[in-house]
Amino acid sequence: EAGVTQSPTHLIKTRGQQATLRCSPISGHTSVYWYQQALGLGLQFLLWYDEGEERNRGNFPPRFSGRQFPNYSSELNVNALELEDSALYLCASSQTIGAGGYEQYFGPGTRLTVT
Amino acid sequence: EDKVVQSPLSLVVHEGDTVTLNCSYEVTNFRSLLWYKQEKKAPTFLFMLTSSGIEKKSGRLSSILDKKELFSILNITATQTGDSAIYLCAVEAAGNKLTFGGGTRVLVKP
Repeated sequence: EAGVTQSPTHLIKTRGQQATLRCSPISGHTSVYWYQQALGLGLQFLLWYDEGEERNRGNFPPRFSGRQFPNYSSELNVNALELEDSALYLCASSQTIGAGGYEQYFGPGTRLTVT
Repeated sequence: EDKVVQSPLSLVVHEGDTVTLNCSYEVTNFRSLLWYKQEKKAPTFLFMLTSSGIEKKSGRLSSILDKKELFSILNITATQTGDSAIYLCAVEAAGNKLTFGGGTRVLVKP
């Protein structure tokens, strides 16, 4: 069974540009989560999508946005990039929402570098 | 604000040693506690704990949760160099949000 996949592996952008990161969940998973892991900081929750809708959002500015497609894959968009957006962005997926209790499985991540 | 604290920050052991990693938390609407191992990029899932006092085991790894004292421990026995990694503790709260601790970096020397 294929795991969570993410693309691209690496992305280099300049300040002010926009970045688009992509994620495909494990087959059968409908929930997709995005996390940011900046150097020296732990994993920070960004966004949660399920069934095409944004279900929860972490403490990040509105220039971090995303969407989930009918096939449950997801995009994370970061507008007006700032140097401190440089980080590893991890996508995770889990089974359907409900009372919780479903483990999240992570993809390999996209390393975003903003110069 | 939800908070997860892991200790120690890092430790160095020799092959065959036993390590105990700690995770304490303060979370509203607790649902579960998860342990992950992160070697290079993707954290890999180890355990999910939802009930107090029930030990989960997988090979040389085991973990237990204490919901009264709000902590969990992860034990690794007979450590091997392949156990070298960052071990992450995360707590799931309402809204399916995982709050991660800062991790414990484990280095196992031959």
